[in-house]
Amino acid sequence: AQTVTQSQPEMSVQEAETVTLSCTYDTSENNYYLFWYKQPPSRQMILVIRQEAYKQQNATENRFSVNFQKAAKSFSLKISDSQLGDTAMYFCAFMKHVKGGATNKLIFGTGTLLAVQP
Amino acid sequence: KAGVTQTPRYLIKTRGQQVTLSCSPISGHRSVSWYQQTPGQGLQFLFEYFSETQRNKGNFPGRFSGRQFSNSRSEMNVSTLELGDSALYLCASSPGTSGRDEQFFGPGTRLTVL
Repeated sequence: AQTVTQSQPEMSVQEAETVTLSCTYDTSENNYYLFWYKQPPSRQMILVIRQEAYKQQNATENRFSVNFQKAAKSFSLKISDSQLGDTAMYFCAFMKHVKGGATNKLIFGTGTLLAVQP
Repeated sequence: KAGVTQTPRYLIKTRGQQVTLSCSPISGHRSVSWYQQTPGQGLQFLFEYFSETQRNKGNFPGRFSGRQFSNSRSEMNVSTLELGDSALYLCASSPGTSGRDEQFFGPGTRLTVL
């Protein structure tokens, strides 16, 4: 069975600074997807960034980037130039790859509550 | 395109009752997944429906069931409600044909069991 661990329940960062959220996972699968989702206080879950395990290059989306270390089973999220709107709960998630199809079963970590301070 | 909608947004029930929650996916999406979110257990996968068939199932008791209609709208049902079923229930939709498809989440239904 796969597990996802987020060891930082809460973090705080000053506006315009950079913050890194940690995530480790455990799986025996070789092909899979990793995600960071953001859940702001309004509760709508939003995809922040996605990484496919077979891609060695780290994914980036504007101010968001990941550090994917497959051998270490580590998948951290870096937020640069933090903004007040980044305040949210951040969830790391794992999904198994299925050849020729999809399994939309996300396994989530427990989340990190990020507060961006003005 | 309209986003994922869930109805109702809030629900209060008493122990022993049953409840039905509804999820309307984004137009053209054939996959709908359901998740339960609680402070104690976090986000847990309930099940996924694709083209009216249950494709994946999590580790929940048989009191939790679901179905999907031909227009891809999905319902989940919880029978014989327990206090521990109080949670935010989220659904997510995607095209469902590739793991690269993004899943879009709805706003959730907040269920309170008294």
